[in-house]
Amino acid sequence: QLQLQESGPGLVKPSETLSLTCSVSGASISNSIYYWSWIRQPPGKGLEWIGSVFHIGGTYYNPSLKSRVTISVDTSNNQFSLDLSSVTAADTALYYCARETASGPVNYWGQGTLVTVSS
Amino acid sequence: EIVLTQSPGTLSLSPGERATLSCRASQSVPNNYLAWYQQKPGQAPRLLIYGASSRTTGIPDRFSGSGSGTDFSLTISRLEPEDFAVYHCQQSGSSPTFGQGTRLEIK
Repeated sequence: QLQLQESGPGLVKPSETLSLTCSVSGASISNSIYYWSWIRQPPGKGLEWIGSVFHIGGTYYNPSLKSRVTISVDTSNNQFSLDLSSVTAADTALYYCARETASGPVNYWGQGTLVTVSS
Repeated sequence: EIVLTQSPGTLSLSPGERATLSCRASQSVPNNYLAWYQQKPGQAPRLLIYGASSRTTGIPDRFSGSGSGTDFSLTISRLEPEDFAVYHCQQSGSSPTFGQGTRLEIK
């Protein structure tokens, strides 16, 4: 059974970089036809797609976040990561890692990790 | 960017009733790549419907999706107590976007 688990700091200071890692178990990222994604949800609000990475390195980002986002994949450790730079309070959210099918629907989600941006 | 608008914001119904949720796109969704998710408090979303009308494995057949182009809907034919949750639509025909969600609450 595929499982995804987010890890990283729960508190980040304004203007710094938010860094999260998603550990994948139950399937190999490198033998995959899927995209590996980050999605966030501000408290009490809707979902926002941040971006995706393919195991051979192709990346796709939300245009509104593109200038601040880097998603990378580490096939040797079966993980993928998110870096979001120059964060503000507006970046406070529950961050999910997820697996997207080729046509886009997300069929596996991590449990989510809450990241708060505050000094 | 394709903007998805879900209506109503909140829907109050009783178990056994029929629920119809709407998702309208600001422009046509390529290939009708429209999905619906259910989210319960404290949980990650769960994929119900993809490709506008295909049900994910294990989803009860009381859930159905329909629509094309810019107008899509999710219908729950007969509400069960466990169906009361927030429902999100998502398009992935272009850079993925989500609607703001519809809260389905017990009347």
